[in-house]
Amino acid sequence: EAGVTQFPSHSVIEKGQTVTLRCDPISGHDNLYWYRRVMGKEIKFLLHFVKESKQDESGMPNNRFLAERTGGTYSTLKVQPAELEDSGVYFCASSQKFRTSAVHEQFFGPGTRLTVL
Amino acid sequence: KQEVTQIPAALSVPEGENLVLNCSFTDSAIYNLQWFRQDPGKGLTSLLLIQSSQREQTSGRLNASLDKSSGRSTLYIAASQPGDSATYLCAVLVGGKLIFGQGTELSVKP
Repeated sequence: EAGVTQFPSHSVIEKGQTVTLRCDPISGHDNLYWYRRVMGKEIKFLLHFVKESKQDESGMPNNRFLAERTGGTYSTLKVQPAELEDSGVYFCASSQKFRTSAVHEQFFGPGTRLTVL
Repeated sequence: KQEVTQIPAALSVPEGENLVLNCSFTDSAIYNLQWFRQDPGKGLTSLLLIQSSQREQTSGRLNASLDKSSGRSTLYIAASQPGDSATYLCAVLVGGKLIFGQGTELSVKP
């Protein structure tokens, strides 16, 4: 079974440009999460999808960030326009739907390292 | 507001030692606690998950305990090996989202 995959693995862009990150969750996982780690800080939650619906987007830093999950499969996270402080590693995770699993274990992808110059 | 703290921030031990990593959290209302391992430039690998009703979980040389009432978890690594060198993260699940500590960077010297 394939794990969570993310693309690209690295992205270097200039301030003001747009970047789109993609996450493919484990097949059949209804829950999809975005997290990020900025330099020197702990990993922080951004948002949570249940299928195509945003369940919790309380961690999104501002309206320059837009996440979508059309069709409830893969998700994209767009940053537009990118700022220097957006640099960091963006992780995606997925888990089974809550009625299927009482464990709620989240499985993480390898992350996308974003550098904004 | 839930906060997760990991002590120590970094640890260096000789190969073969047993060691304990600590994790504390401020609010006992958690659904579960996960320990992860992160190798440099890589993603997070789930090591152990303890549900809030459980006291410990074991996998190979790893043993994780949970004391919800005191807001503490420990990860015990027996007979450490150089391949155990990595950053270890603990995270608590609250309201569907994981709240992470800053991690403990472990170095096991041959």
